[in-house]
Amino acid sequence: EIVMTQSPVTLSVSPGERATLSCRASQGVSSSLAWYQQKPGQAPRLLIHGASTRATGLPARFSGSGSGTDFTLTISSLQSEDFAVYYCQQYNNWPFTFGPGTTVDIK
Amino acid sequence: EVQLVESGGGLVKPGGSLRLSCLASGFPFSIYSMNWVRQAPGKGPEWVSSISSDSSYIYYGDSVKGRFTISRDNAKHSLYLQMNSLRGEDTAVYYCARDDYGIDWGQGTLVTVSS
Repeated sequence: EIVMTQSPVTLSVSPGERATLSCRASQGVSSSLAWYQQKPGQAPRLLIHGASTRATGLPARFSGSGSGTDFTLTISSLQSEDFAVYYCQQYNNWPFTFGPGTTVDIK
Repeated sequence: EVQLVESGGGLVKPGGSLRLSCLASGFPFSIYSMNWVRQAPGKGPEWVSSISSDSSYIYYGDSVKGRFTISRDNAKHSLYLQMNSLRGEDTAVYYCARDDYGIDWGQGTLVTVSS
């Protein structure tokens, strides 16, 4: 099973600032990496797939990069609605696995 | 508009069974792989099971293998999860999700396993 790790656990950011979230896979997953945002009481929402392809309608302030084992989600200028938990997930090998999440909260 | 609507959750005793359903609309159901993902209270998501568009490929996570069975009926635009021998650690919100990277998710159905 591919183990996904995320850092940091919590990221405290002021509105308007840049946030950089990291995700690492225990073995290469090519570009089969997705990022999700989850708010309390809601289902995860797809942000990025293929490591860097934005989901339909996603604002351009969200961007993804990386391949192989190291990936990054960048939010260029945090808006109030962006404070949430973010998960990465690999879908290159079954079982598909999620990282433990990064909480982005207000500084 | 894409909709995934799960049903069938509830309270069940350890060792019991439940069958979850997911009714899909707004997209060509028969060409997409479908998945069940669960999330225990306060935890991150866990991918439970996947089924290919024509049911030729089926995968289960180790934690549910031998106890859960995924199936689909493309004519009815429906996905199912038969859950047997339920345990306390199966308590979670169960979501159906479209495709390997969860393009769309349902609202979830809560399964509580407790005596």
